[in-house]
Amino acid sequence: DTAVSQTPKYLVTQMGNDKSIKCEQNLGHDTMYWYKQDSKKFLKIMFSYNNKELIINETVPNRFSPKSPDKAHLNLHINSLELGDSAVYFCASSQDRGIDEQYFGPGTRLTVT
Amino acid sequence: QQQVKQSPQSLIVQKGGISIINCAYENTAFDYFPWYQQFPGKGPALLIAIRPDVSEKKEGRFTISFNKSAKQFSLHIMDSQPGDSATYFCAARTVDRGSTLGRLYFGRGTQLTVWP
Repeated sequence: DTAVSQTPKYLVTQMGNDKSIKCEQNLGHDTMYWYKQDSKKFLKIMFSYNNKELIINETVPNRFSPKSPDKAHLNLHINSLELGDSAVYFCASSQDRGIDEQYFGPGTRLTVT
Repeated sequence: QQQVKQSPQSLIVQKGGISIINCAYENTAFDYFPWYQQFPGKGPALLIAIRPDVSEKKEGRFTISFNKSAKQFSLHIMDSQPGDSATYFCAARTVDRGSTLGRLYFGRGTQLTVWP
């Protein structure tokens, strides 16, 4: 049973393209997150949603737009991809507005050429 | 700004040895300090966590030592095994007063290699 799943696992695309990453959790959690892990493995939060409502919106470019169609799903759409967007993107979820443990997905490795 | 400072960046330990990773913070609003373990190609997973009202927490071979006055905490891995080779992240959590949402700040990670 996969708790937090992401698709795709790998994404290779050219500069200027638009791409989406999907995330689903089957844990019944109310809070979901997107993190970016750079080449030096630094993990930084990008967005957080609670019950489909955007709560945390870090200083990320407007080209990044999260969408939460329901509590169990949080997608990340990226417009006009740039070389610097290459990273591993992790989705995570937690119960009780993030007070509880965060469960991470397996990550999506995005490579922009 | 780096809210949680972690060291060392990399650590090589012989099998059976003790691995020690240190973290420091400044924000006194942090109320929960988890450690996450990440294997290559996987997402981070919670390993062990501590709250600031205790000075030590032990789970099997893993121990967190917490020094509230010094604003430091560390992870000790006793009898380190090759299977422990992974990247370890310390983190600290605040609860945003406005949204009441918990938020984690991660250290930069320590790449641990345990030689057989």
